[in-house]
Amino acid sequence: NAGVTQTPKFQVLKTGQSMTLQCAQDMNHNSMYWYRQDPGMGLRLIYYSASEGTTDKGEVPNGYNVSRLNKREFSLRLESAAPSQTSVYFCASSEWVGTEAFFGQGTRLTVV
Amino acid sequence: KNQVEQSPQSLIILEGKNCTLQCNYTVSPFSNLRWYKQDTGRGPVSLTIMTFSENTKSNGRYTATLDADTKQSSLHITASQLSDSASYICVVSAYVLTGGGNKLTFGTGTQLKVEL
Repeated sequence: NAGVTQTPKFQVLKTGQSMTLQCAQDMNHNSMYWYRQDPGMGLRLIYYSASEGTTDKGEVPNGYNVSRLNKREFSLRLESAAPSQTSVYFCASSEWVGTEAFFGQGTRLTVV
Repeated sequence: KNQVEQSPQSLIILEGKNCTLQCNYTVSPFSNLRWYKQDTGRGPVSLTIMTFSENTKSNGRYTATLDADTKQSSLHITASQLSDSASYICVVSAYVLTGGGNKLTFGTGTQLKVEL
């Protein structure tokens, strides 16, 4: 009964380092998403995958890449981390785009 | 530009009291509106969904209303409990006319604190 699982939960990076945030869902959902949440701002969509084999840019894609590894997994990669990427990152999934989204617990990322 | 505005930004109430949170949107073409509850350090969890034809929907002590004409929604919490302390986020979905699907616009949330 895990739902959406994100790893890691916390991460500190130095400017210029790279890392990949992992996300897996066990609900057989077709669509998956990566959001970032910053203080005083609503959740903003970074990238999404409407279905296995497709990925599309969201509102704030610069500095990120994604991979829809299979139907269950959707990873987010920061190639060269910047302090502006300090945020809480949420992965979500839904049966289809526009249906109820289920969120993971978030990854708190700090770039120093 | 699609926007979702929530008010108040934060709210403190005593346990047992009622409260109402507001959401105004300029999203179009409108598909649906959801209220999410986000506990500190957790991901958002859906409370209710409302489509164009629905005026009121309840989920336990939570009642959401929608006025599609004025593009306003409210979330009423009855007999508040300490566990209601959380951020409440209004999310409006718009149809994407080219390519299909939906686009979500998130409000910044109302931070509710329930005190003894």
